[in-house]
Amino acid sequence: DGGITQSPKYLFRKEGQNVTLSCEQNLNHDAMYWYRQDPGQGLRLIYYSQIVNDFQKGDIAEGYSVSREKKESFPLTVTSAQKNPTAFYLCASSPRGTSQETQYFGPGTRLLVL
Amino acid sequence: AQTVTQSQPEMSVQEAETVTLSCTYDTSESNYYLFWYKQPPSRQMILVIRQEAYKQQNATENRFSVNFQKAAKSFSLKISDSQLGDTAMYFCAFMRNAGNMLTFGGGTRLMVKP
Repeated sequence: DGGITQSPKYLFRKEGQNVTLSCEQNLNHDAMYWYRQDPGQGLRLIYYSQIVNDFQKGDIAEGYSVSREKKESFPLTVTSAQKNPTAFYLCASSPRGTSQETQYFGPGTRLLVL
Repeated sequence: AQTVTQSQPEMSVQEAETVTLSCTYDTSESNYYLFWYKQPPSRQMILVIRQEAYKQQNATENRFSVNFQKAAKSFSLKISDSQLGDTAMYFCAFMRNAGNMLTFGGGTRLMVKP
């Protein structure tokens, strides 16, 4: 089945530790996105990528980093510089990354700080 | 910058009845796209319906329809014949014509009661 997978479902981070969230898609989509969702709030864009080896900052990129070495993969690293990382993280993709396209979402990863 | 406002944090409706969720947005652009996403307890974001601003006709998808009032910058979602499976958070989202970034509202929690 085509879709977007995120792993792990739950992730625990210790103080000062970097952690990486995985996002893979087999939809042959060019564009991929990372969003953060805090309790009771909407989604905010962290980073997005419209093509391999290229990515752009979203509204809340500080404390996060990404890479896009393969079309199907867009991992997100939450660095120790992110002081409040506890949130639900959602990955999405769209066919060409142009306007008017619907974005399709993965199941999400919940990150908790120990 | 665009903003999206959902003024109803929580709503409830009896099964089989109709409910309308409100959304307003602020933009200076004339062409754009609007979306309603559903997030059930599983946290998966699911597209419900989308509307192109240049289309005067309101979008419909089975039991879901929108009332798009461009001059008023209003984009409400009507759910007819509500079902227990409609219980979820509903997010309104805006996308500019030039670009692929979604701006989300804060969400409305809908509870469908038997």
